[in-house]
Amino acid sequence: GENVEQHPSTLSVQEGDSAVIKCTYSDSASNYFPWYKQELGKGPQLIIDIRSNVGEKKDQRIAVTLNKTAKHFSLHITETQPEDSAVYFCAASRAGGGADGLTFGKGTHLIIQP
Amino acid sequence: NAGVTQTPKFRILKIGQSMTLQCTQDMNHNYMYWYRQDPGMGLKLIYYSVGAGITDKGEVPNGYNVSRSTTEDFPLRLELAAPSQTSVYFCASGPVSSGNTIYFGEGSWLTVV
Repeated sequence: GENVEQHPSTLSVQEGDSAVIKCTYSDSASNYFPWYKQELGKGPQLIIDIRSNVGEKKDQRIAVTLNKTAKHFSLHITETQPEDSAVYFCAASRAGGGADGLTFGKGTHLIIQP
Repeated sequence: NAGVTQTPKFRILKIGQSMTLQCTQDMNHNYMYWYRQDPGMGLKLIYYSVGAGITDKGEVPNGYNVSRSTTEDFPLRLELAAPSQTSVYFCASGPVSSGNTIYFGEGSWLTVV
């Protein structure tokens, strides 16, 4: 089955700086890679996703890049703000290839220092 | 739009007790899921369903049961609660048309003592 590794487990950055979270996956057939943000006491919320037919996707201050050859993808947050503090999860799956859910990384606790 | 709704939010169980976590969604999604989240361990799939009347085991199904009698509801049953089932449980749903994009509920915090 799929295995997703996520690094770092904790990331502390100064407000206004950029943050990068990296994930690797094992199943070369995976072609759907979402990122979720989980605030304290809440459920994970989808913030951006990418499919394997594109290498990069942006949404305002958030971007995701995908390298299928190396089997890794990354979340980039620019101009970080206090409200970006949360736990972020990456995930991978075969979109349309099965309904047995996503395989998640173990999460990154992002701390924005004022 | 309520999305995915889970009840209860918090529950304390004694070892050996049984309970059902309720999950309902109002987005007419075919796919529904139950995950558990343990500290530092990410989200593990317990059970999933591709439609009413169909359920399948995920990665960690032992000690749990599910049913899917309607499109909207996907309850998770714990028959004989054990301390190892102390966790946060998330229900999620997703439409067939968007591959594996899924949307989570707010979670149910369960403690077994």
